[in-house]
Amino acid sequence: AQSVTQLDSQVPVFEEAPVELRCNYSSSVSVYLFWYVQYPNQGLQLLLKYLSGSTLVESINGFEAEFNKSQTSFHLRKPSVHISDTAEYFCAVSEWGQGAQKLVFGQGTRLTINP
Amino acid sequence: GAGVSQSPSNKVTEKGKDVELRCDPISGHTALYWYRQSLGQGLEFLIYFQGNSAPDKSGLPSDRFSAERTGGSVSTLTIQRTQQEDSAVYLCASSLERNTEAFFGQGTRLTVV
Repeated sequence: AQSVTQLDSQVPVFEEAPVELRCNYSSSVSVYLFWYVQYPNQGLQLLLKYLSGSTLVESINGFEAEFNKSQTSFHLRKPSVHISDTAEYFCAVSEWGQGAQKLVFGQGTRLTINP
Repeated sequence: GAGVSQSPSNKVTEKGKDVELRCDPISGHTALYWYRQSLGQGLEFLIYFQGNSAPDKSGLPSDRFSAERTGGSVSTLTIQRTQQEDSAVYLCASSLERNTEAFFGQGTRLTVV
């Protein structure tokens, strides 16, 4: 069964600094990978996803994540963060197979941006 | 509907009472998930429905928890004899069979007093 580990429960950074939120997964088969974001007092929404093709995927608000199969990682990065990026970020994995497979989430990383 | 709809948005119940939480997935989505998010915790998987297959119930924390999905659409999560530790936000999500991107509802905040 697949599992996801987010190594940092909290990440404080200063505004305009770079950030990396780490995500490692465990699976015996090929996977789809996702990052979801939950802004304060809001529901979860998809930030970006890797299904196939280019291993570097980007979101519309400047985040990117790179699928590294050999390291079983899907770290999320942004070169310069803004106050509005303050949120909780969840990494998720779904195994390939017939039809959709169960989506498993990591424990989340709370990103706090300080002015 | 345009998105995943959950009701009620908030529910306060007395310890020992039963509660039912409802989820209306996006039309045409064959996969439906229930998760629980406790204060300061991550997303705890509860149960997963995929089409007509037997549901994956491996995440249900006790036999007080059950869920059903009628007609491959609406789902109800039932918690019997609620306990204070059941207090959490219960999230429902749905996805298409061949695209596993999940769309989440706003959740039901359950408070057991």
